[in-house]
Amino acid sequence: KQEVTQIPAALSVPEGENLVLNCSFTDSAIYNLQWFRQDPGKGLTSLLLIQSSQREQTSGRLNASLDKSSGRSTLYIAASQPGDSATYLCAVFIRGSTLGRLYFGRGTQLTVWP
Amino acid sequence: DAGVTQSPTHLIKTRGQQVTLRCSPKSGHDTVSWYQQALGQGPQFIFQYYEEEERQRGNFPDRFSGHQFPNYSSELNVNALLLGDSALYLCASSPTQSSYEQYFGPGTRLTVT
Repeated sequence: KQEVTQIPAALSVPEGENLVLNCSFTDSAIYNLQWFRQDPGKGLTSLLLIQSSQREQTSGRLNASLDKSSGRSTLYIAASQPGDSATYLCAVFIRGSTLGRLYFGRGTQLTVWP
Repeated sequence: DAGVTQSPTHLIKTRGQQVTLRCSPKSGHDTVSWYQQALGQGPQFIFQYYEEEERQRGNFPDRFSGHQFPNYSSELNVNALLLGDSALYLCASSPTQSSYEQYFGPGTRLTVT
């Protein structure tokens, strides 16, 4: 059974800091890995998707890496801003014969203060 | 393109009642998945519908059932509500040919009292 763990559970940093969020998963037979952002009480916004054959993806100040063999991913946020405050969720996609499903971690709650 | 839409936004029910939540997928998507997110937890997969049939199911009791209509929209039904069913219910849609591209709706917040 696939289990996804995220560390730390919560993080509070001053504006401008570079930070790293960690994600680990138990079964390396993933199709891809995604990082999502969730604002309080809201739905999920996809930030980055890394295919299993890729090592990293970048979007603006965000960089996500994937080490499939060790079951780990990191999300690097550069020059953090108060607007980055949200919960960040890591999810792996396991594919069946045609369809698949996401397995989520519990998330890292990030607070960036001015 | 309206994206994935869900209704209602919020819902309050009493233990033992039944509830129906609705989801309209993103244009061009034919697969709908439902997730339950309890407070402070990550979303948990409930089930997935394609071609009006349940294709995959997570570890949820039979009190949770669903339906998909010919226009690809979907309903999630929960019978005999328990306090523990209080959660944010998220719907995600995807095209079959790339089912990993799941787009999420804003969710329905269900409170069971």
